[in-house]
Amino acid sequence: RKEVEQDPGPFNVPEGATVAFNCTYSNSASQSFFWYRQDCRKEPKLLMSVYSSGNEDGRFTAQLNRASQYISLLIRDSKLSDSATYLCVVLGGGFKTIFGAGTRLFVKA
Amino acid sequence: SQTIHQWPATLVQPVGSPLSLECTVEGTSNPNLYWYRQAAGRGLQLLFYSVGIGQISSEVPQNLSASRPQDRQFILSSKKLLLSDSGFYLCAWGGLAASGQFFGPGTRLTVL
Repeated sequence: RKEVEQDPGPFNVPEGATVAFNCTYSNSASQSFFWYRQDCRKEPKLLMSVYSSGNEDGRFTAQLNRASQYISLLIRDSKLSDSATYLCVVLGGGFKTIFGAGTRLFVKA
Repeated sequence: SQTIHQWPATLVQPVGSPLSLECTVEGTSNPNLYWYRQAAGRGLQLLFYSVGIGQISSEVPQNLSASRPQDRQFILSSKKLLLSDSGFYLCAWGGLAASGQFFGPGTRLTVL
């Protein structure tokens, strides 16, 4: 089992749609969780941290379920500019940082 | 504000040649520094991290090495490149681990 697994993509959605990505992790001792966005041939950029109580940033909502060991990212009212690859990141003990392989999102007009 | 620089942006090298990629950070002191590699269509793989000058931890055994000669400088090297070393090399910095990491623009390396 991979340490971090994400929904296989690509997701193709129309503008205005709501889309959700899930990510599971295997290490129950994982401490911190993040979602990054990566545009084609560019560096990843931190989208948001994921907190135990769930957190929201505009159209983006992230949630953590420690019991089931998964995190999720919900994007509401999708924009064309949301088209990218979304990376789930899990921080284990110390500096052990595990990136998921990413889920590609295409938002169509 | 903090900025992170990497160069070169692209590099084409023959098999067996040496490699040196440099990363520098501005606007912060004593950052944690990281080197990642991303193969085509794959996720990021952590190669090295450093919590201070001269302190390097390796995550994956390979023919690459890293050094941190100054607080805000991180260098990735190889004495002899392999075809499998091709990829997108990314340097990142971070403070507290829970605050996330911030990436430089990356170097796209092709080994022929």
